[in-house]
Amino acid sequence: GAVVSQHPSWVICKSGTSVKIECRSLDFQATTMFWYRQFPKQSLMLMATSNEGSKATYEQGVEKDKFLINHASLTLSTLTVTSAHPEDSSFYICSARLLSSYNSPLHFGNGTRLTVT
Amino acid sequence: DQQVKQNSPSLSVQEGRISILNCDYTNSMFDYFLWYKKYPAEGPTFLISISSIKDKNEDGRFTVFLNKSAKHLSLHIVPSQPGDSAVYFCAAWDSGTYKYIFGTGTRLKVLA
Repeated sequence: GAVVSQHPSWVICKSGTSVKIECRSLDFQATTMFWYRQFPKQSLMLMATSNEGSKATYEQGVEKDKFLINHASLTLSTLTVTSAHPEDSSFYICSARLLSSYNSPLHFGNGTRLTVT
Repeated sequence: DQQVKQNSPSLSVQEGRISILNCDYTNSMFDYFLWYKKYPAEGPTFLISISSIKDKNEDGRFTVFLNKSAKHLSLHIVPSQPGDSAVYFCAAWDSGTYKYIFGTGTRLKVLA
């Protein structure tokens, strides 16, 4: 099946620093990747849709200047949390579809646990 | 405004019995539905999906039922195994906004 690799799996950083999270599709090309965030005991909240070669589409309430998304190739999307603050501590998960058709499931990476001290 | 709802936050089932997880949705533009299983500190794993043109899809121990008129879907796991203990999310593809919408999850505990 489709494999999505996410790195790092966990990171601790100091307030005010930036953190980059990588998401790779290992055995398929993904023109679109989706970035989610999950708070404890809550659902997966879509942050943004990352499109290869173009700007990401952000959901309402998500600061595009704070959560920078780059999708430079068909197999790599990155999320950079800039000037991180403790409230940015969360579980970030990327995902991609094997096929571009709508009836193709999302495959998720293993997530990144970000802790900002 | 939660468009995909899983009203049971938790469920406990004895090993070997059937687990039934339920999901309701409100948007008639949803036309593809999925179930995911998630362990702590891991990404969700795709289990099974169903298109709105069908009312049932089966894959091994997992069966998904879709009742379009009631806007309701369910996941049946039989027989349940301790390794099935996890959080289960249902999701729907919104063909109007091109997004996947997730429910809040149901924590399943299968007791040995």
